[in-house]
Amino acid sequence: GAGVSQSPSNKVTEKGKDVELRCDPISGHTALYWYRQSLGQGLEFLIYFQGNSAPDKSGLPSDRFSAERTGGSVSTLTIQRTQQEDSAVYLCASSPRTSGEQFFGPGTRLTVL
Amino acid sequence: KNQVEQSPQSLIILEGKNCTLQCNYTVSPFSNLRWYKQDTGRGPVSLTIMTFSENTKSNGRYTATLDADTKQSSLHITASQLSDSASYICVVHDTGKLIFGQGTTLQVKP
Repeated sequence: GAGVSQSPSNKVTEKGKDVELRCDPISGHTALYWYRQSLGQGLEFLIYFQGNSAPDKSGLPSDRFSAERTGGSVSTLTIQRTQQEDSAVYLCASSPRTSGEQFFGPGTRLTVL
Repeated sequence: KNQVEQSPQSLIILEGKNCTLQCNYTVSPFSNLRWYKQDTGRGPVSLTIMTFSENTKSNGRYTATLDADTKQSSLHITASQLSDSASYICVVHDTGKLIFGQGTTLQVKP
C-alpha cells in the first residue's frame, strides 16, 4: 500500500520568502508528526497532530513556523520569512495511534539561499 | 542535555563483521524504545520497538536489547552487509512524542 508521501522533494527559496511543505499520511492514520533534520544533527520534533485534539506545537522553533491538518488527513507545514538556518530536511511521519509505530515520508529538503 | 545519547557517533566495519551500537537515555517514564535505520536521503525506517518489560527483540540480523534499570539499549548487527551502511537512530517515546538520539553512522566496507 501507499506510504507517507511528501512534496516537494526539494525546495530552494530565497531568504525572506514563505514556503509550504505538504505531507500526505497513510490513510486511516490518526497521528501525524513533523520533524526537522539539520545537516549532521538528529531529528528535532516540531509538531504533532492526533485526531481532533489540539496539536502539540511545543517543538516549533519560532512563530514563523505553523502547521495545519485539514480533515484529519493532509498536513501543511508553513515557514514564513525563511532564514538560512531553516535549511534542513523536513520529515513527516504518521501513525495509526499515539504510541504506535511511526512511518516516515521521504522528506522535503529545504535550502534557503 | 540530550535525553538520548548514542555511541559511537560513527563506526566503520568490514563486511561480514558484527557490531554493537549503544543508546543511553534519561527519559522517564517512557512508553517504548525504538531503533530506526535511516539510509542517506531517505526517511527513517523502524527496526524494532521494545516496551518497558521487554529485554530483547530481533528483526533478522538486527537484535536490540533493553535494560530499563540502567536505562541502556543496544543494537547488535550480525554478519554485516554493505546495505547496512546507514544511520541508526535510537528513539525513546515519551508520552506522545518521540525523543531522538543523534544517531550512529555505520559504514560497512567490502
